[in-house]
Amino acid sequence: GAGVSQSPRYKVAKRGQDVALRCDPISGHVSLFWYQQALGQGPEFLTYFQNEAQLDKSGLPSDRFFAERPEGSVSTLKIQRTQQEDSAVYLCASSHYGGQGQGYGYTFGSGTRLTVV
Amino acid sequence: RKEVEQDPGPFNVPEGATVAFNCTYSNSASQSFFWYRQDCRKEPKLLMSVYSSGNEDGRFTAQLNRASQYISLLIRDSKLSDSATYLCVVILSGAGSYQLTFGKGTKLSVIP
Repeated sequence: GAGVSQSPRYKVAKRGQDVALRCDPISGHVSLFWYQQALGQGPEFLTYFQNEAQLDKSGLPSDRFFAERPEGSVSTLKIQRTQQEDSAVYLCASSHYGGQGQGYGYTFGSGTRLTVV
Repeated sequence: RKEVEQDPGPFNVPEGATVAFNCTYSNSASQSFFWYRQDCRKEPKLLMSVYSSGNEDGRFTAQLNRASQYISLLIRDSKLSDSATYLCVVILSGAGSYQLTFGKGTKLSVIP
């Protein structure tokens, strides 16, 4: 597609519910990133994929968070047993660059706004 | 201490005004620097890269001072359409150099 597509656009979950957020990156983009943006804050790094390999998951806040990109294209961020502090916008970004030193060429999706009640 | 610090504002300025935003970063190993713009309820978008030699794009000028670990953005002749949150972004060198590290953002409102 022309841009990075994320779904759903909005998600309301009851505390304790599992959620799955989808990211469809720009076709052919090697790198895929997930960021979390809490209200009034800048985005914070969660995890990085190069093709299907998850090279960095250091930003995932707990073991309730899990991300995958099994075929090197679409990615899913799963949050188990959601808590109120998980409420945030989850942004996906892709880039046709791979490897170190390639902070250029990011395209962000519109994000999924998760509200845990 | 946050790695990237910005004055959150808000900055409320009249149309035509000049406004400057500042940002400091704590890690001297930072290698790349950017300003991103984020409209309300939208995704961040790259505004411009920042270099020690300065970078100008129309009404926008960005500057980097490595010695002071300080980044600035100057907007001249502000337009209503400049109203947004401006995010200062750095990238570290070496391992993890694909990560964008964002400041909290500075909110700008340009008033008619």
